[in-house]
Amino acid sequence: EVQLVESGGGVVRPGGSLRLSCAASGFIFDDYGMTWVRQAPGKGLEYVAGISWNGGTTGYADSVKGRFTISRDNAKNSVYLQIDSLRAEDTALYHCAREYFDSSGFYRFLDSWGQGTLVTVSS
Amino acid sequence: DIQMTQSPSSLSASVGDRVTITCRASESINTYLNWYQQKAGKAPNLLIYGASNLQSGVPSRFSGSGSGTDFTLTITSLQPEDFATYYCQQNFRYVRTFGQGTTLEI
Repeated sequence: EVQLVESGGGVVRPGGSLRLSCAASGFIFDDYGMTWVRQAPGKGLEYVAGISWNGGTTGYADSVKGRFTISRDNAKNSVYLQIDSLRAEDTALYHCAREYFDSSGFYRFLDSWGQGTLVTVSS
Repeated sequence: DIQMTQSPSSLSASVGDRVTITCRASESINTYLNWYQQKAGKAPNLLIYGASNLQSGVPSRFSGSGSGTDFTLTITSLQPEDFATYYCQQNFRYVRTFGQGTTLEI
């Protein structure tokens, strides 16, 4: 069974930093890209960042570019999100998700999600 | 980043109704479009990938269509468990943006 467990959230002051972790199990971790998606309270889903299977390709939403860094350690079956220069608008539940692909290899989608770790930015 | 715009933002319907949700991309994304359903307090669940391919285990009352910039999600014969929020997501570019969501209410 695929499992994704996030950790590292908490309450932090504006301008502060956190490192979120996502521990994966139940699948061959280095076969898949991974993604962080966040959801502010009462709001919609927002793509934050993604990383390819080997870490060679990364992508960031404009709203976090230059402040967030995604990385992975395939030996530890884990993906990370370093979040710096935190703002009030970064308050959200942060999910990691596995990016799966269909049999053709053309289409990618998020097929497994963790329950999330809550980041609250408040003075 | 590609902007994804859904309409309507919310929709009221009844059990047994047929509903359609629209998603528009700010540039052509071919058929690289996914649809997810999210219920309160739960992680999203994939419904459709590649614009029209039904994910395994998803009821056949869900269907998707479209290509280029305009896409639709259709639910025929609404069931009580279908009242939720629906999101589109493009996977044409590596920054895989979501639409803002459509809440389907009774």
